[in-house]
Amino acid sequence: EPEVTQTPSHQVTQMGQEVILRCVPISNHLYFYWYRQILGQKVEFLVSFYNNEISEKSEIFDDQFSVERPDGSNFTLKIRSTKLEDSAMYFCASRDSRGRRWAFFGQGTRLTVV
Amino acid sequence: DAKTTQPPSMDCAEGRAANLPCNHSTISGNEYVYWYRQIHSQGPQYIIHGLKNNETNEMASLIITEDRKSSTLILPHATLRDTAVYYCIVSDMNRDDKIIFGKGTRLHILP
Repeated sequence: EPEVTQTPSHQVTQMGQEVILRCVPISNHLYFYWYRQILGQKVEFLVSFYNNEISEKSEIFDDQFSVERPDGSNFTLKIRSTKLEDSAMYFCASRDSRGRRWAFFGQGTRLTVV
Repeated sequence: DAKTTQPPSMDCAEGRAANLPCNHSTISGNEYVYWYRQIHSQGPQYIIHGLKNNETNEMASLIITEDRKSSTLILPHATLRDTAVYYCIVSDMNRDDKIIFGKGTRLHILP
């Protein structure tokens, strides 16, 4: 079974620092997503990405956030200046364009801002 | 906001069938019903999806009412490892449609 890989599994960062969360989606998938889950809360949509551009983003995804697919295999989420409230699990997901139309999720990166 | 309504929690005895209901009265003709689950804080895991016919795979069965306004996920022989939060989601995945998670149903499998 193919899988989405996320690194690191846990990241601790100082408030105000930049962090980059990395994801390797399933090869041949064309749609990519980032979600976050604050402890004890529901999974929240951040952004979707298709054809090398953002296709949709939520209100959470403000100017502090950016996404990139730098080399055709990795998909990254950057938070420019982290805040305490950015502490959460961040999940990457990818989806095929045809056939199997459900999304595969990675195991997440736990981001702790101190 | 999520377009589905699910009970916040349910219990099921180990070895019995777990039947998880979902209401989606505003579902449109192009939207599929998807079920995912999240075990502890792991990434959500796809279980099954359907449009209007009942579906079965190695994990579960999905029963969709004829008017498509509700559905039931059935785990035929629940085990302790099925303890998780189960999410019912409607989405038109023929487009670039994001998945919107609600609060789901927290299923407790009792030994």
